[in-house]
Formats: sequence, C-alpha cells, structure tokens
Amino acid sequence: NAGVTQTPKFRILKIGQSMTLQCAQDMNHNYMYWYRQDPGMGLKLIYYSVGAGITDKGEVPNGYNVSRSTTEDFPLRLELAAPSQTSVYFCASSTEFYNEQFFGPGTRLTVL
Amino acid sequence: AQKVTQAQTEISVVEKEDVTLDCVYETRDTTYYLFWYKQPPSGELVFLIRRNSFDEQNEISGRYSWNFQKSTSSFNFTITASQVVDSAVYFCALPEKRDSNYQLIWGAGTKLIIKP
Repeated sequence: NAGVTQTPKFRILKIGQSMTLQCAQDMNHNYMYWYRQDPGMGLKLIYYSVGAGITDKGEVPNGYNVSRSTTEDFPLRLELAAPSQTSVYFCASSTEFYNEQFFGPGTRLTVL
Repeated sequence: AQKVTQAQTEISVVEKEDVTLDCVYETRDTTYYLFWYKQPPSGELVFLIRRNSFDEQNEISGRYSWNFQKSTSSFNFTITASQVVDSAVYFCALPEKRDSNYQLIWGAGTKLIIKP
C-alpha cells in the first residue's frame, strides 16, 4: 500500500495563478481531509469529505475548492493564488472521523 | 468552541533526561477523543496515540507514556530517557463534531529539542 500520496512536493506560483494539489489514498478510507500548516503553527482544516460526492468546509476554506468524485482521490484547487496561501499543505484520510488520520508527505507551496 | 492549548512552545533537554509535554483542552462533549501526533524535522506527521475520554488509565508504550486527567482537562505526554531521535514537534489534537460539521482542533505544537 502506498498510503496517502500527494503531488507535487514543491511548487512556486505567481500571484493570480491557479493550480490543483493532488491527493490519493489506497486504503479505501471514507474520510479525507486537506490541511494547511503555516510556519510554527498547528494544522488548520481547509476542507474535508466523508465519502465520494460529499465535501464540506473546514476552518479556512476561502480561496480553495475541492471535489471527491471517487473514494481514492481528493484534489484541492487553488484559484487566484495569493501570498497568504504560502504554506505546507497536507492531505489525510481515516476510516472514521474519530480514528487515526494517515497523512501524506505534504506539498510546500510558495506564492510570489 | 473546543480548544487545545500547548503552552510550551519549545523545550530543550539533554539526551537521557525525562521530559513532559503538556496538553490542556476545552470541550463541551461528555465523550471525546484526544490524539498526539509527532512531526519530525523531515516534515511528515506520525500518529502516536488516541485516547477515549472513558479511559483514564495511563498509557505506556516503551519510553513514551501519557497521563490523561479529566479533572484538569489535561492529556500530558512524557518521554523517558529522551534520545536525539525524539527531536520533533509534537501536536495534541481534539476532534469536534457539531451536527454534520467535523473539525480536528490542533494545538500549536511543542518543539522538542534533544541535545546529545
């Protein structure tokens, strides 16, 4: 099992550009999450999904969009990138909400 | 709202010392879970433990132990005989479910530096 995979590992964007961060898991987990981690801080939830076709906002959803067409994939879309979106983005999955979350390796995004 | 406080921003100890990382939480729920995760310098997030509020027994796993006290809303983490490989940022987290909305509330983390 690959677990949770994320691509790309690093990306530099110019202000106003858009991109999609890819996330996939092969553990058949229903729950998937996107977090951002700013330097020296804990994680903040951007969006989550409780199953294919169902997504919902977390604590900091502005400037992002998600979709969940399959159980395996949960891409995060950044529209009109802003410097405030410079962060490390983690994708995670779990069997149930109260169970352990498995994390991907993260994507380090810089917006200049 | 739920809240997790890790008041220790950074702790530095010499190898082989014992060290305790504090976690204080606030919750309206009578039943809840608490988590500890480790983030080593390489950046990945590693699950350490999940504790159910029903179970107040201390948990021990090798050099790691956790002390859960509902009376003080604390879930502290102790490393005995610390090693350089324990250097990492450690996060405490508390799941929150309100109606159909889910959140995992994270503390700000404690950076642990173990000096050789």
